[in-house]
Amino acid sequence: DAGVIQSPRHEVTEMGQEVTLRCKPISGHDYLFWYRQTMMRGLELLIYFNNNVPIDDSGMPEDRFSAKMPNASFSTLKIQPSEPRDSAVYFCASSYKNEQFFGPGTRLTVL
Amino acid sequence: QQQVKQSPQSLIVQKGGISIINCAYENTAFDYFPWYQQFPGKGPALLIAIRPDVSEKKEGRFTISFNKSAKQFSLHIMDSQPGDSATYFCAVAYSSGSARQLTFGSGTQLTVLP
Repeated sequence: DAGVIQSPRHEVTEMGQEVTLRCKPISGHDYLFWYRQTMMRGLELLIYFNNNVPIDDSGMPEDRFSAKMPNASFSTLKIQPSEPRDSAVYFCASSYKNEQFFGPGTRLTVL
Repeated sequence: QQQVKQSPQSLIVQKGGISIINCAYENTAFDYFPWYQQFPGKGPALLIAIRPDVSEKKEGRFTISFNKSAKQFSLHIMDSQPGDSATYFCAVAYSSGSARQLTFGSGTQLTVLP
């Protein structure tokens, strides 16, 4: 398996624009997690899904953030409108039972 | 409230030395304690994990020591190598079905000098 795939790897956008991050989990994994990593706040869990259903979105910082998982092989994290403070590395991870496997991340810069 | 406190923030060790990173937690309901390793430009990867029914787990040069009464656990890297230079995160979790919602420590940047 290729592991968790995220796209794009880098995204630079201007404040106010919509940003969509994409994730393809490992086939057969039934949990999918979205994290955000910053120097100030470290690794934060934003939301996670089980069998494509959102289970806990309490980590989503604001209504500007939304996540979907339309099927078992694809998830998106959308920020609309984006702000400079959203600049971070966003990770997707998937798991089956115990271990979470992280993707390479998307580095988002909002100017 | 910070659920897991990790120290030190950074660590410099000579090649062949022992690296020790510590974490402390508050919630006694946690039952899964993993350590993740992250290289620059990469996502975190599971290194080793322990459950509270054992006090120590060893995998190669990496050992977790767990002190349930003190609510602390630590990562020991024996014979540290330059290739071990990375950021290490402890995490805590309690089972919810088969998911493990991880709460991460703040990370320790380890540098192993050649």
